Amino acid sequence: AQSVSQHNHHVILSEAASLELGCNYSYGGTVNLFWYVQYPGQHLQLLLKYFSGDPLVKGIKGFEAEFIKSKFSFNLRKPSVQWSDTAEYFCAVKVYNNNDMRFGAGTRLTVKP
Amino acid sequence: GAGVSQSPSNKVTEKGKDVELRCDPISGHTALYWYRQRLGQGLEFLIYFQGNSAPDKSGLPSDRFSAERTGESVSTLTIQRTQQEDSAVYLCASSLMTSGLYEQYFGPGTRLTVT
Repeated sequence: AQSVSQHNHHVILSEAASLELGCNYSYGGTVNLFWYVQYPGQHLQLLLKYFSGDPLVKGIKGFEAEFIKSKFSFNLRKPSVQWSDTAEYFCAVKVYNNNDMRFGAGTRLTVKP
Repeated sequence: GAGVSQSPSNKVTEKGKDVELRCDPISGHTALYWYRQRLGQGLEFLIYFQGNSAPDKSGLPSDRFSAERTGESVSTLTIQRTQQEDSAVYLCASSLMTSGLYEQYFGPGTRLTVT
């Protein structure tokens, strides 16, 4: 079945550590890729997105993600996390010309001050 | 500058009862999505509306689930004869267009608990 996989359920880091959250999908064809973030008590909001062009996309708050087509991956990275990055992160895939947006199960990030 | 709003924020209902959840999208957003998020799981697509076109109901899990939207305004998601497995957070999102080029803006969700 087509799916979006986020390998890490819960990640705990200290401030200033580097972050990489994995996301793999199983859809063929053209896809649009997204990372959403949900801070405690807040709505889901868009962190960054990829549609075409440079496979390395930069988002808000110093986050970036790299689309590797051959690996069907769209991993999220940040070189130095802050306590305020504590949140749940969701990877999402939208198949081109399809209304359906598929989300991963989410990764909870806890950053210790 | 209101965002997407949903009501109620919490709903507790007895098994077998019907419930109605409401979503007010951002004004001018033609596309509206409903998702379900069960505890510890990702968002599950339920239904999508785009303007006056026929909705995409491909994600609805059973015929107990239905949704309506009048034009480009409010949408209601109705669950009939609720079951315990319907317990989840129901999220609504709207965007300017269906194209993925347009960001989806999410509401705060309705937490449904079926006892």
